[in-house]
Amino acid sequence: DTAVSQTPKYLVTQMGNDKSIKCEQNLGHDTMYWYKQDSKKFLKIMFSYNNKELIINETVPNRFSPKSPDKAHLNLHINSLELGDSAVYFCASSSGTGNEKLFFGSGTQLSVL
Amino acid sequence: GENVEQHPSTLSVQEGDSAVIKCTYSDSASNYFPWYKQELGKRPQLIIDIRSNVGEKKDQRIAVTLNKTAKHFSLHITETQPEDSAVYFCGGTSYGKLTFGQGTILTVHP
Repeated sequence: DTAVSQTPKYLVTQMGNDKSIKCEQNLGHDTMYWYKQDSKKFLKIMFSYNNKELIINETVPNRFSPKSPDKAHLNLHINSLELGDSAVYFCASSSGTGNEKLFFGSGTQLSVL
Repeated sequence: GENVEQHPSTLSVQEGDSAVIKCTYSDSASNYFPWYKQELGKRPQLIIDIRSNVGEKKDQRIAVTLNKTAKHFSLHITETQPEDSAVYFCGGTSYGKLTFGQGTILTVHP
């Protein structure tokens, strides 16, 4: 029974397209995150939601729009994809806000051609 | 905001040796310092964490030490095994936001 699941696992698309990544957690956590891991393995936070409310919004292009329909789901929509968006995107959840264990999803490998 | 620096970026050891990875942080308000291990193609997973009211924590072969005055903390792995080979990330949390270090690629040679 997967704790944090995200789909799809792989996403290959052309520049300029719009795509979405979905994330769901069944741990009852209040906080969910999106992290981006680039080719150098650097993990950088993009967004964080606590009980459906946006609490962290890093310097991310506004082509990236997160949506949290309820506290168990956090989706990421990306408009007008660019080559530099290619990365692995990880969803995560925690019971607290940043000072508790993060449970990561398995990641979405996004390749923009 | 918080800035976490991690060294070294790569570390190669022989099986059975010890490995030490060091991190420094900038924000004195940071109060939570986790360490995550990420195996190739897998998700990051927490291996140990320490809070600012504790100086050292140990769990079997891994230990973390924290020096709040100097604003640095370290991960120590003893009796390393090939399955310890992975990327290790330190992190620091300030005002609810967790910032990761740049990662250390640890390779344990049999």
